[in-house]
Amino acid sequence: RKEVEQDPGPFNVPEGATVAFNCTYSNSASQSFFWYRQDCRKEPKLLMSVYSSGNEDGRFTAQLNRASQYISLLIRDSKLSDSATYLCVVTLDTGGFKTIFGAGTRLFVKA
Amino acid sequence: GAGVSQSPSNKVTEKGKDVELRCDPISGHTALYWYRQSLGQGLEFLIYFQGNSAPDKSGLPSDRFSAERTGGSVSTLTIQRTQQEDSAVYLCASSFQGARGEQYFGPGTRLTVT
Repeated sequence: RKEVEQDPGPFNVPEGATVAFNCTYSNSASQSFFWYRQDCRKEPKLLMSVYSSGNEDGRFTAQLNRASQYISLLIRDSKLSDSATYLCVVTLDTGGFKTIFGAGTRLFVKA
Repeated sequence: GAGVSQSPSNKVTEKGKDVELRCDPISGHTALYWYRQSLGQGLEFLIYFQGNSAPDKSGLPSDRFSAERTGGSVSTLTIQRTQQEDSAVYLCASSFQGARGEQYFGPGTRLTVT
């Protein structure tokens, strides 16, 4: 089983739709959680950190469920410019810190 | 401020040649990572430097790959005797808080081995 798993998609949604992605992690020693965005042929860029209490940044909401070991990303009012691959990232404390990237979920927002 | 920079942006080399890829992290960031990404694939961790600690080399795919970080700043990834399967985008990232913190990526070096 992969340490971080994401549905690869693609998710095809119309503009204005609400879309949600989940990411599951296998190691309960996971400490920090992030969502990154990667545009085609570009480097990943931090979208948002994920806090235990959940957090929101404009149209984006991130949630963490430690009991079920998953994090989620909700995008409201999707824009064409939201089309990208969304990477789930988890850091573990296994005696030393280790960062693991999920393989990503592709999103296409259509006009 | 300046972000992470990498050079060259593109490198085409013949099979069997050695290549060196350079990464300049964000000033003050103590952690530096190298990843590679093949077309349409996820990020593959290669190596992690944190301050003066011994690097975590657990992701290096073979002994043809090595990396060093001089003076806690600039890093060089060296691939010896390149093979066609080494063709990928090599991404460098740096972080202020080590593995606990957000990583900031450079634009990558696209390596093509012919």
